[in-house]
Amino acid sequence: DVKVTQSSRYLVKRTGEKVFLECVQDMDHENMFWYRQDPGLGLRLIYFSYDVKMKEKGDIPEGYSVSREKKERFSLILESASTNQTSMYLCASSPLTRTGADYGYTFGSGTRLTVV
Amino acid sequence: RKEVEQDPGPFNVPEGATVAFNCTYSNSASQSFFWYRQDCRKEPKLLMSVYSSGNEDGRFTAQLNRASQYISLLIRDSKLSDSATYLCVGGSQGNLIFGKGTKLSVKP
Repeated sequence: DVKVTQSSRYLVKRTGEKVFLECVQDMDHENMFWYRQDPGLGLRLIYFSYDVKMKEKGDIPEGYSVSREKKERFSLILESASTNQTSMYLCASSPLTRTGADYGYTFGSGTRLTVV
Repeated sequence: RKEVEQDPGPFNVPEGATVAFNCTYSNSASQSFFWYRQDCRKEPKLLMSVYSSGNEDGRFTAQLNRASQYISLLIRDSKLSDSATYLCVGGSQGNLIFGKGTKLSVKP
């Protein structure tokens, strides 16, 4: 069964801390994504990557960075956590198919981050 | 940024009812369409893909109207377990846009 694993289900961090959220997929997918989800705002794309060492800004990259050193792992970094970064963070992955067929995204179970 | 719009609801329906959700997408170049289901405090999970010819999976039927740029989901014989938020998705491979979701609550 296809799997996207996020390292923590719940995290509590202090304002100003550097926070690492890890995501690993075992499906050999090329594409990986980081979203945050807040009530009433839906899924908002933070960063995405279509290949190892490659990263692209999404809609709300400010205050975040990412790292993709290996194909299976995509890390989200909060450089200096702030209370407005309290949110549910969701990682997703999808394959790059040569046929163009699209199977959608597979999501991890999410990390609920609270910054105090 | 290209958008996918859907009614946030909530839709409150009795068990056994038929309920329909619609959504619209703004990017006419979109090629991929899906419905996802998201339970409270859980991740979104793929419910079904949506094809131009329409497709059915048990009690669920999805339709795509490219001319009007809207996608629909029909749920027949609603069950209590169908209570969730349904996300409409459109876009292209590796570039999917998610709607904010429509909340469905099925009551006994």
